[in-house]
Amino acid sequence: SQQGEEDPQALSIQEGENATMNCSYKTSINNLQWYRQNSGRGLVHLILIRSNEREKHSGRLRVTLDTSKKSSSLLITASRAADTASYFCATARTSTGANSKLTFGKGITLSVRP
Amino acid sequence: NAGVTQTPKFQVLKTGQSMTLQCAQDMNHEYMSWYRQDPGMGLRLIHYSVGAGITDQGEVPNGYNVSRSTTEDFPLRLLSAAPSQTSVYFCASSPTGWSNEKLFFGSGTQLSVL
Repeated sequence: SQQGEEDPQALSIQEGENATMNCSYKTSINNLQWYRQNSGRGLVHLILIRSNEREKHSGRLRVTLDTSKKSSSLLITASRAADTASYFCATARTSTGANSKLTFGKGITLSVRP
Repeated sequence: NAGVTQTPKFQVLKTGQSMTLQCAQDMNHEYMSWYRQDPGMGLRLIHYSVGAGITDQGEVPNGYNVSRSTTEDFPLRLLSAAPSQTSVYFCASSPTGWSNEKLFFGSGTQLSVL
């Protein structure tokens, strides 16, 4: 069963706008990761946030984590057409420290219109 | 470094045929895993390995076999292909398999079982 559930399923924005994507999960986690997948390609890691962190930045990406609400958000600022991709959250449960229990959500399709 | 290399990129099988999906990494990673990606289902873990000679089942292991005789290679075997195994398969690796590491993905194998 999926641990992480992303919202919305699809998002279409204009170039230059900000894109916000959400992920909710059910059980306690060690960390939460966000990945990007361009059409026909493998997933690429974007950012990891640990359970004791609340916010993390990487370039135009900002990730927040609210463990009390069991949710995370990924913000992409000043979006570009090249940001068009599917975005996945993945969670590592506290029951084990291994990636063997890294589970992925169904993904969000982001379209950035030029 | 080539990273994670998967072959073939595309494959068509008939029901009942067998085949092996190849995965190799040149990063000396201990952890390797196989995921399948289906529309609306996200990525689901099939099998994983935390080192040569060690494998374990993931979320959806039925119909698939794996072995890990070397650090570099982690092949996925379909002994008797079924239409339900039509999917895109991704191999992923990380240095040690602990949850605070990012996964490195291959570019995928698109498999169709007729």
